[in-house]
Amino acid sequence: TQLLEQSPQFLSIQEGENLTVYCNSSSVFSSLQWYRQEPGEGPVLLVTVVTGGEVKKLKRLTFQFGDARKDSSLHITAAQTGDTGLYLCAGNNNNDMRFGAGTRLTVKP
Amino acid sequence: NAGVTQTPKFRILKIGQSMTLQCTQDMNHNYMYWYRQDPGMGLKLIYYSVGAGITDKGEVPNGYNVSRSTTEDFPLRLELAAPSQTSVYFCASSYSGVRNTIYFGEGSWLTVV
Repeated sequence: TQLLEQSPQFLSIQEGENLTVYCNSSSVFSSLQWYRQEPGEGPVLLVTVVTGGEVKKLKRLTFQFGDARKDSSLHITAAQTGDTGLYLCAGNNNNDMRFGAGTRLTVKP
Repeated sequence: NAGVTQTPKFRILKIGQSMTLQCTQDMNHNYMYWYRQDPGMGLKLIYYSVGAGITDKGEVPNGYNVSRSTTEDFPLRLELAAPSQTSVYFCASSYSGVRNTIYFGEGSWLTVV
């Protein structure tokens, strides 16, 4: 059983579409991070959210941390083929960082 | 522009053999981590270190050992390889804990047969 549940597990969309992926837990985290991982490489940090209700924007990506600091969402506007990859969320408490299994996103041209 | 460097990239081990995965970082980071990534399961923390001479167990430490004799190096030792240790292993580092940016290496693919 994963501490952090990510949904959907797989997502395939056309270029230009919008999408939202979710990261849910029954645990409260002091911070939560989103990573993107491409095949054959390690994960790369996209954002860290710390405060309940916090919203951060990174170009076409919008990240939200739930009010209770148990869940988070990642919204991508006008997806591009370069957004293809595995999106991982990771929740942190006192250096104990737990990862979800990821959402594998494919953006088709 | 090295960052976190792991070796080897690929390795096939026989059951019962031992090996060490090497990890070095050139960013003068205090914190270093070892994760394993199984298909569809995300990353799981094996061991971490908050500085030279200090190591702590993570979520899945059984079957592994680590040492941190220098700031730069954090090797992971598998003593008696088992098929359950077939995985992709990632070393990572950060300046001061997981709330900072964590930099990952490119991964080491290990197969135990």
